[in-house]
Amino acid sequence: RKEVEQDPGPFNVPEGATVAFNCTYSNSASQSFFWYRQDCRKEPKLLMSVYSSGNEDGRFTAQLNRASQYISLLIRDSKLSDSATYLCVVNIGDYKLSFGAGTTVTVRA
Amino acid sequence: ETGVTQSPTHLIKTRGQQVTLRCSSQSGHNTVSWYQQALGQGPQFIFQYYREEENGRGNFPPRFSGLQFPNYSSELNVNALELDDSALYLCASSATGPGTYEQYFGPGTRLTVT
Repeated sequence: RKEVEQDPGPFNVPEGATVAFNCTYSNSASQSFFWYRQDCRKEPKLLMSVYSSGNEDGRFTAQLNRASQYISLLIRDSKLSDSATYLCVVNIGDYKLSFGAGTTVTVRA
Repeated sequence: ETGVTQSPTHLIKTRGQQVTLRCSSQSGHNTVSWYQQALGQGPQFIFQYYREEENGRGNFPPRFSGLQFPNYSSELNVNALELDDSALYLCASSATGPGTYEQYFGPGTRLTVT
């Protein structure tokens, strides 16, 4: 089983729509969780850390469900600039980050 | 921009050759991690350096090796290149040691092995 699994999408949504997607992780001892955003042929950029209580950053909301071992990301009022691949990231042990393969989101005008 | 820089940007090598990739960490960051990202995949952890020593390693063979220098910059060396080594190589820096998991990536080096 992969350490982090994501629905690859693509999620194709109109501007202004809400889009949400999950990722699951296999290591119950994981303590830190993140969403990174990656544009085509660019480096991943930290979008937000995910806290146990859930957290929000503008139009982005992240939730963590430890019991079911999944993390979600919700994007409200989608903008064209939100088109990207979203990488779910989980820490494994003391130093290793494990990345999912990414969920592709395309926002159309 | 994160302040993490990598060189070169692109590189073409022949199977069997050796390559060295370089990374300068963000100011104030003392930990550098290296990742390999194949097309359509997420980054795969190669290893991490902290205080000039390898702090952890992923499932990569010994022909992948690295160094960290006193100024926290780092090198990734790959010997005996194989076609499957073609990928985007990313370094990421983080602050205050390996317990800090928020990592900031450089722009990457795109390696093509022919």
